[in-house]
Parts: sequence; structure tokens; C-alpha cells
Amino acid sequence: GDSVTQMEGPVTLSEEAFLTINCTYTATGYPSLFWYVQYPGEGLQLLLKATKADDKGSNKGFEATYRKETTSFHLEKGSVQVSDSAVYFCALSDVGNTPLVFGKGTRLSVIA
Amino acid sequence: EAGVTQFPSHSVIEKGQTVTLRCDPISGHDNLYWYRRVMGKEIKFLLHFVKESKQDESGMPNNRFLAERTGGTYSTLKVQPAELEDSGVYFCASSQAGASRSGYTFGSGTRLTVV
Repeated sequence: GDSVTQMEGPVTLSEEAFLTINCTYTATGYPSLFWYVQYPGEGLQLLLKATKADDKGSNKGFEATYRKETTSFHLEKGSVQVSDSAVYFCALSDVGNTPLVFGKGTRLSVIA
Repeated sequence: EAGVTQFPSHSVIEKGQTVTLRCDPISGHDNLYWYRRVMGKEIKFLLHFVKESKQDESGMPNNRFLAERTGGTYSTLKVQPAELEDSGVYFCASSQAGASRSGYTFGSGTRLTVV
């Protein structure tokens, strides 16, 4: 079945550091890929998405590129802020109206 | 537009008791999903409603879990009797018809603790 594997956390970075959270996937079809974020005390929010190979999703300074050849969708940000501290989830949705499949989540803590 | 609303936000119950979680989706959203995250693990799919019908309940862990969606509006998820392993965060999400590949709108979740 479909699955998502993302790097284990927690990740602790200093403000303005570069962030990469790795995500790879396995899917039977041609999925859409997502990054969701959960800030402390809040629900899951869609951060960015990509629906086909080589698409780049971007939002709030975060980027991720759909790499079909490596089945990856790594999340990057050039300069993190304290306000980026949250749990980040990589997810996919396969063809048709299939449910989202999530990774385990990566907790990011950014310190000033 | 109001978002997806879940309540309660937290619930602490004893093993063997019953708990009912509620989700109010965004008005007009036909699709409603329940997910659960057990501590430190993936967010796992539980079930999917299209309007009032259960489209997919393959993720429901066992028959102690009962989900309903009255009139295609709000949904409830009842756990009876609750067990320790049911502890976790229960998320609800909704989407318009045909919008699943664009991502869902999630609620803030209900944190359930069974002691």
C-alpha cells in the first residue's frame, strides 16, 4: 500500500538556519503530495502542495519539489524563524478520492 | 467562512467509559474524514463520509468505534467502551466534492486521554 517516510525528529535549529526535512513516498498510482503543519495548540494546516512531477509547491518561504525519479518531496526553507516551530507532516493522496496518507511528523524547534 | 470545528478539544476518561467526539465541517463540504494520531506515530485514516453515507471505513480499528453523520451535516465519533490504546488526537477534515487532491481543511483536533 501507499506510505510516506519522513525524517525522524525532533529537529532543533537556530534562527536563520537552513531547514531541510526529508520525505519519501511509495504509491501505486500518481499521487498528489502535501506538507501540513501543526502549530502549538492548533489544527493541521496545509502548508504547500504539488500535484505532478517537477512541480514546486511554495508558501511562507517554504518550498518542496515533487521528484518522481527519487519519489521524494523534501521540505526546505532558507532561513527559519522562531515562529516556524511546529510539527510538519508529509502526506500523499493517490489517484481518485483516496484518503491522505501521512508520515509520522517531524517536530521543529527554532531557538533565538 | 467558519472552519472545521471539533469539540471537545480535550477529553480525559476512564477505561471502559464512553466518549463522543463531534465534528462540524465547513458548510457545503460533502466530504468529511476522521483521522487519528496515536502518540509519536503517523496520522492514520479512520473513515470517510460523502454526505451522510460512509464511503470508506477501512481505517476503523474495531467495533468499539461508531461514526455517524446525521443528515450529511455534523459527524460524531463514539468510542464505547474506551481502552487505553484509544488515547490520541482525533482530527476531522472536510473538503468539497472532487477536491481531495487539493488538500482538506482540518479541525484543531480532540485530544483524548484514556486512563
